Amino acid sequence: DQQVKQNSPSLSVQEGRISILNCDYTNSMFDYFLWYKKYPAEGPTFLISISSIKDKNEDGRFTVFLNKSAKHLSLHIVPSQPGDSAVYFCAASNFNTNAGKSTFGDGTTLTVKP
Amino acid sequence: DAGVTQSPTHLIKTRGQHVTLRCSPISGHKSVSWYQQVLGQGPQFIFQYYEKEERGRGNFPDRFSARQFPNYSSELNVNALLLGDSALYLCASSSDIPYGYTFGSGTRLTVV
Repeated sequence: DQQVKQNSPSLSVQEGRISILNCDYTNSMFDYFLWYKKYPAEGPTFLISISSIKDKNEDGRFTVFLNKSAKHLSLHIVPSQPGDSAVYFCAASNFNTNAGKSTFGDGTTLTVKP
Repeated sequence: DAGVTQSPTHLIKTRGQHVTLRCSPISGHKSVSWYQQVLGQGPQFIFQYYEKEERGRGNFPDRFSARQFPNYSSELNVNALLLGDSALYLCASSSDIPYGYTFGSGTRLTVV
């Protein structure tokens, strides 16, 4: 039973446009969510996070939206750049019980075309 | 500053053998987590250590064990290797629970 799902294995967008990556979760105990980016032959790199007490968090070109009622979060990248091409992982954890344990989705491969 | 370093980077073992993977966290980071990433899937949590104590364990058999040393480096041990243990093993460190972790580049383990 996969608790964090990224239903789109891949996404292709044009440079300069918006990239929207989606993530759904089933465990209502999750209250802290993170996005990581992974290039080939490297470990995941932390991008942005959001606590369940918020519904939006911005950091430069990256914005994460959280809809708790729908158990859904999304990562918006505006504007998209070719260097953003990578695998993006959504991860979730429970801050109070075991925040060091993150449950990851299977990733979405983003390709940004020049 | 050096990032999270893992050794070795690649490893080939035979079924039934034992393997030890090593991780050095970022200086000052006291929390270390281990993840297994099978091709095409996201990382799966194995262990977390904080201040040398186990703080969490994922759904892995007892063949998997780990420890953290006084200098906060860590080892992941896997006994009686199976073909299904072939994966990328990632180590991640953080200055404190529970913020975003910094991952190493991983150890690619192939069991033949």
